[in-house]
Amino acid sequence: KQEVTQIPAALSVPEGENLVLNCSFTDSAIYNLQWFRQDPGKGLTSLLLIQSSQREQTSGRLNASLDKSSGRSTLYIAASQPGDSATYLCAVKKDSNYQLIWGAGTKLIIKP
Amino acid sequence: DAGVTQSPTHLIKTRGQQVTLRCSPKSGHDTVSWYQQALGQGPQFIFQYYEEEERQRGNFPDRFSGHQFPNYSSELNVNALLLGDSALYLCASSFLLGQGISEQYFGPGTRLTVT
Repeated sequence: KQEVTQIPAALSVPEGENLVLNCSFTDSAIYNLQWFRQDPGKGLTSLLLIQSSQREQTSGRLNASLDKSSGRSTLYIAASQPGDSATYLCAVKKDSNYQLIWGAGTKLIIKP
Repeated sequence: DAGVTQSPTHLIKTRGQQVTLRCSPKSGHDTVSWYQQALGQGPQFIFQYYEEEERQRGNFPDRFSGHQFPNYSSELNVNALLLGDSALYLCASSFLLGQGISEQYFGPGTRLTVT
């Protein structure tokens, strides 16, 4: 049974720092992995999607990497801003027809 | 495009009551999935609807049922509410792509509180 873990559960850093959020999964046979951002009252926003054949994806100040063999993904946020404060969740998909299996998220606070 | 919309935003019910939550998918999407997110947890998949039929179901009891209408909108019904049903209920829409589904787009959720 696939399990997804995110550590730490919460993180508080000063504005401007580069930071890394971690996601691990127990079954390396995945179809893809997604990183989402969740703001209170605003649902979930997809940030980056990495297919199983890819090693990383980049969007602006965000970079996500995937190492299937070790069951890990990282989300790198460069030059953090207060507007980056949110909960970040990762989710994996077993195959194209399966639903997402989610981690519990990392609550990120960027202090001005 | 309004994206995925859900109603109501918040809801308070009493144990034993029944509740109906509603979701309108993003334009062009024909598949709707429902998730339950307890406080501090990641979402858990409830079920998915396509062509007015339940296509997949997660590990939720029969108290949780759904419906999809010809315009692709969907309802989630929960009977005999328990305190543990208190959660954020998320709707996600997508479209069938070959054998699988496309990327899912999420609505803002309905916050259900059971007292």
